[in-house]
Amino acid sequence: KQEVTQIPAALSVPEGENLVLNCSFTDSAIYNLQWFRQDPGKGLTSLLLIQSSQREQTSGRLNASLDKSSGRSTLYIAASQPGDSATYLCAVRRVGNDMRFGAGTRLTVKP
Amino acid sequence: DAGVIQSPRHEVTEMGQEVTLRCKPISGHDYLFWYRQTMMRGLELLIYFNNNVPIDDSGMPEDRFSAKMPNASFSTLKIQPSEPRDSAVYFCASSPQRGRHTGELFFGEGSRLTVL
Repeated sequence: KQEVTQIPAALSVPEGENLVLNCSFTDSAIYNLQWFRQDPGKGLTSLLLIQSSQREQTSGRLNASLDKSSGRSTLYIAASQPGDSATYLCAVRRVGNDMRFGAGTRLTVKP
Repeated sequence: DAGVIQSPRHEVTEMGQEVTLRCKPISGHDYLFWYRQTMMRGLELLIYFNNNVPIDDSGMPEDRFSAKMPNASFSTLKIQPSEPRDSAVYFCASSPQRGRHTGELFFGEGSRLTVL
């Protein structure tokens, strides 16, 4: 069974800092990996999708990398802003197509 | 596109009552997923469908839970009878099998269920 772990569980940084969120998974036979953002009381918003054949994806200040062999992905956020405060979830989709989520990293960016 | 649409957004009911949650996936998406989110257990996959056919329902907690997808544009998740421990936010998500967003999961806003 695929296990997805996110470290740290919570992170607080001052505005302007660059930061890295980590995601690890136990089964390297994945179809893709997706990073989401969730604001309190809201649904999940897709940030970046990395297919299993890709190494990284970028969108604006966000960059996500994937290393299947080591079972790891990182989400890099450059020049963090208070509006980036949210919970960030990593999800891994297996070849069998179901998607498993990590518990998330709760990010607070202080002005 | 309107995105994944769920209803109701909030439901408060009493223990023992039947609850029906509804989902309209994004048009053209081949996969539909039902998730449950709680503080204690995070996001749990309950069941998913491919082309309206249930593929894996191993996450459905008990026989009190059932899900159907009668056509490509509609799915229901039913709980009968409901119990207080079913209180959670239930999310529906859909995903295309081809095209630019192949394999990408799109979520609805969720249905917050409270069982008293």
